Amino acid sequence: AQSVSQHNHHVILSEAASLELGCNYSYGGTVNLFWYVQYPGQHLQLLLKYFSGDPLVKGIKGFEAEFIKSKFSFNLRKPSVQWSDTAEYFCAVKNNAGNMLTFGGGTRLMVKP
Amino acid sequence: EAGVAQSPRYKIIEKRQSVAFWCNPISGHATLYWYQQILGQGPKLLIQFQNNGVVDDSQLPKDRFSAERLKGVDSTLKIQPAKLEDSAVYLCASSLFGSGGSTDTQYFGPGTRLTVL
Repeated sequence: AQSVSQHNHHVILSEAASLELGCNYSYGGTVNLFWYVQYPGQHLQLLLKYFSGDPLVKGIKGFEAEFIKSKFSFNLRKPSVQWSDTAEYFCAVKNNAGNMLTFGGGTRLMVKP
Repeated sequence: EAGVAQSPRYKIIEKRQSVAFWCNPISGHATLYWYQQILGQGPKLLIQFQNNGVVDDSQLPKDRFSAERLKGVDSTLKIQPAKLEDSAVYLCASSLFGSGGSTDTQYFGPGTRLTVL
């Protein structure tokens, strides 16, 4: 069975600081990888996704993530965070055999103005 | 394009009562999912439909939870009877294709927050 681990449960940053959120998964085969974001009071929204090709994927709002197959990782990055990035971030993995998404436990990011 | 619609947004019930949630997926999406998100955790898949057939319900507590998607469009999820540990946000999602669609992306609704007292 696949699983997803997000190491940081809570992250507090000041505006303009750089962000990196860790995500590791366990599954031996081909995977599709996602980052979803949930802003306060809003529903889950897709931030970015990796299916194949260039392991560095760019998403909305200046976010990017790098798939490192050898490390089973898909870390999320942003060079300079803004107060509006305050949200909860979820990493998710889907194996190529089906459509079941497995989510990590989430990382709650607070950006101080 | 309209998103995934869910109702109600909030529900408070007492334990042993029953409750039902409704979901209308994005138009044309073949696959519909119900997730349970307990506070402080990521969403966990309960059941997946493709059109009106069940694809995966391995994590659905079938003694108390049931779900249907009779006409292959909207869906209801029912809990009967509810327990305290059912307090969670119930999320509905939909995707265009379904099993085997390797480029499929799931789009989520706003969720229903259930509190069981």
